[in-house]
Amino acid sequence: KQEVTQIPAALSVPEGENLVLNCSFTDSAIYNLQWFRQDPGKGLTSLLLIQSSQREQTSGRLNASLDKSSGRSTLYIAASQPGDSATYLCAVVHTSGTYKYIFGTGTRLKVLA
Amino acid sequence: DTGVSQNPRHKITKRGQNVTFRCDPISEHNRLYWYRQTLGQGPEFLTYFQNEAQLEKSRLLSDRFSAERPKGSFSTLEIQRTEQGDSAMYLCASSPRPGTPGKLSTDTQYFGPGTRLTVL
Repeated sequence: KQEVTQIPAALSVPEGENLVLNCSFTDSAIYNLQWFRQDPGKGLTSLLLIQSSQREQTSGRLNASLDKSSGRSTLYIAASQPGDSATYLCAVVHTSGTYKYIFGTGTRLKVLA
Repeated sequence: DTGVSQNPRHKITKRGQNVTFRCDPISEHNRLYWYRQTLGQGPEFLTYFQNEAQLEKSRLLSDRFSAERPKGSFSTLEIQRTEQGDSAMYLCASSPRPGTPGKLSTDTQYFGPGTRLTVL
């Protein structure tokens, strides 16, 4: 059974810091991995999608890496801003079946002005 | 595309009552998912539709839960005899058929804003 873990559970940093969020998964037979952002009481917004054959993806100040063999992904946020405050979720899709997401428990990020 | 919509956004009900939620996916998305998210946790998969066919149901979906997607368009999720443990955010997501041309990725699911259920 696939299990997804995110560390840390919560993080508070001053504005301008670079930070790394971690995601680990137990079954390396994944189709893709995706990072989402969730604001309080809201739905999910997709940030970055990494296919199983890819090593990383970048969008603006965000960079996500994938090491499938070790079951790890990291989300790097450069020059953090108060607007980055949210919960960040990683999710994996297995190679077979219905392409449902298996989510981690998330990292709650607070960027202080 | 106008995005995935869900109604109602909030529902407060008393224990034992029945509730029904609606999800309208992005137009022509043939795949539709329901997830449940409790406080402090990531979303958990409930069920999946491809067109009108319900192809997978999680063990989380007890006998009190039923989902439909008539005609392969909107979907409803009904909870009968609600319990306090049903209090959660119910999220709907849709995804296009693989190979569908357009700006939206076929490898990602697009989420609605969710329906927040509180059972008193």
